[in-house]
Amino acid sequence: ELKVEQNPLFLSMQEGKNYTIYCNYSTTSDRLYWYRQDPGKSLESLFVLLSNGAVKQEGRLMASLDTKARLSTLHITAAVHDLSATYFCAVTNTGNQFYFGTGTSLTVIP
Amino acid sequence: DTEVTQTPKHLVMGMTNKKSLKCEQHMGHRAMYWYKQKAKKPPELMFVYSYEKLSINESVPSRFSPECPNSSLLNLHLHALQPEDSALYLCASSQVGGAGNSPLHFGNGTRLTVT
Repeated sequence: ELKVEQNPLFLSMQEGKNYTIYCNYSTTSDRLYWYRQDPGKSLESLFVLLSNGAVKQEGRLMASLDTKARLSTLHITAAVHDLSATYFCAVTNTGNQFYFGTGTSLTVIP
Repeated sequence: DTEVTQTPKHLVMGMTNKKSLKCEQHMGHRAMYWYKQKAKKPPELMFVYSYEKLSINESVPSRFSPECPNSSLLNLHLHALQPEDSALYLCASSQVGGAGNSPLHFGNGTRLTVT
């Protein structure tokens, strides 16, 4: 079974600071996804990373993928309160199974 | 607005009740999913339908019974549930096999409480 781990599990950061969330997975996968979930809400797709070296950016969030290291990062630049949420990474195998990471609960403090 | 619609939004049921959760999508996706999510945990896969056929059943107890009447609809029939089944139930859809690099598109979920 493909295992996906994220760290940190909890992240409290001040507004304006930068930080990185890490996502490691156990077996080969060439597709990685990042999702955001607000409290009590559903999951929203943020990024789809398709190949080694892929980098995607949207606003203050930037995601990258290193398939050789089986590692993806989600970098937060100059955090603002609106980014407070739980972030999940997910990878797929050759079927339709999406394996989710443990999640990172981000709180941005004014 | 989400393109995957789930009803009801909230459901409270007793352990002897029978109820159904419904999910609908009109994005032309041919893979549909049920996930269960407990508080502060990642979604756990329950079932996957691909081209209206059940392709993955993650050893889910038989008190949960999925149904895919057509390519746009997905139901989850519930019977004799236990209090530990209380959770957020999420429906999702995608292109089959990740074709087109499609992510999962989630509905807003049904918050289920079993009393």
